Amino acid sequence: DIVMTQSPDSLAVSLGERATINCKSSQSVLHRSNNRNYLGWYQQKPGQPPKLLFYWASTRESGVPDRFSGSGSGTDFTLTISNLQAEDVAVYYCQQYYSSLPYTFGQGTKLEIK
Amino acid sequence: EVQLLESGGGFVQPGGSLTLTCAGSGFTFSSYAMNWVRQAPGKGLEWVSSISGSSEKTYYGDSVKGRFTVSRDNSKNTLSLQMSSLRAEDTAVYYCAKWAFDFGVVRSYWGQGTLVTVSS
Repeated sequence: DIVMTQSPDSLAVSLGERATINCKSSQSVLHRSNNRNYLGWYQQKPGQPPKLLFYWASTRESGVPDRFSGSGSGTDFTLTISNLQAEDVAVYYCQQYYSSLPYTFGQGTKLEIK
Repeated sequence: EVQLLESGGGFVQPGGSLTLTCAGSGFTFSSYAMNWVRQAPGKGLEWVSSISGSSEKTYYGDSVKGRFTVSRDNSKNTLSLQMSSLRAEDTAVYYCAKWAFDFGVVRSYWGQGTLVTVSS
C-alpha cells in the first residue's frame, strides 16, 4: 500500500494568516498517461464525515472558498489556506487514489487558531 | 442525490460480534466499489474493507483481516460488514463511503457513520 505522510501533525495559525499543510507519498501518484496526480485533500470537522476539498491535487471542489489552494506533483503536495477564518478550524487529510484500493489517507493535520 | 446510511452500530463486549449495514440510494449501486472506513475516537481515518461492484474482489486492512467479512446485496442496494472477535481497538465510528470517477471529476460520498463501542 502507498503510505501517505503529512506534516505537521498540528498547527496553530492566527486569523487572517496563512496555513500550510504538507503531504508526502511513498511513491509517485502522478499518472503519466493523463498527467494527473491522484491525490485528494479532505476537511473534517467534529462529528462530521470528511469533506472533499480538492481532487487531482489542485482541482477545487464546487463551493470550496478560493482561499484554499492545492499544489504539488509526484510525491510532494501542499494544501494552503490563505486569510485563515475561524470556520477553517478542522482536521485535514490527504488521500491517494493512484493505486487500486485501498485509497490510503495521511494521518491528518489538526488546524487551530492561535 | 447520493445517500449512504449506516446502521447496526452499538455496544459489544470483547470477543463479540456485530454486523453493520449501509443502504445506498441515488446511484446505480452495483456499478461502484463500496468501502468501509473507520475512525477511532480522536484518531485519523483508517481504511477497513472494500468490495467491488460484482463482489469479485474484496480488500481487508491488516488489523481486521480474518475477523471481518464484507459483502453486498445489489438487489437491495446494501453493503454489510460482519465483525467478529471484536477488540477494544475496534472501537470507532464506521463510515460507509464510495468514490466516483466520472468524466474527469472525482466525487467522494460518505455516510454519517455508526459508532461501535467494544468494552467490557
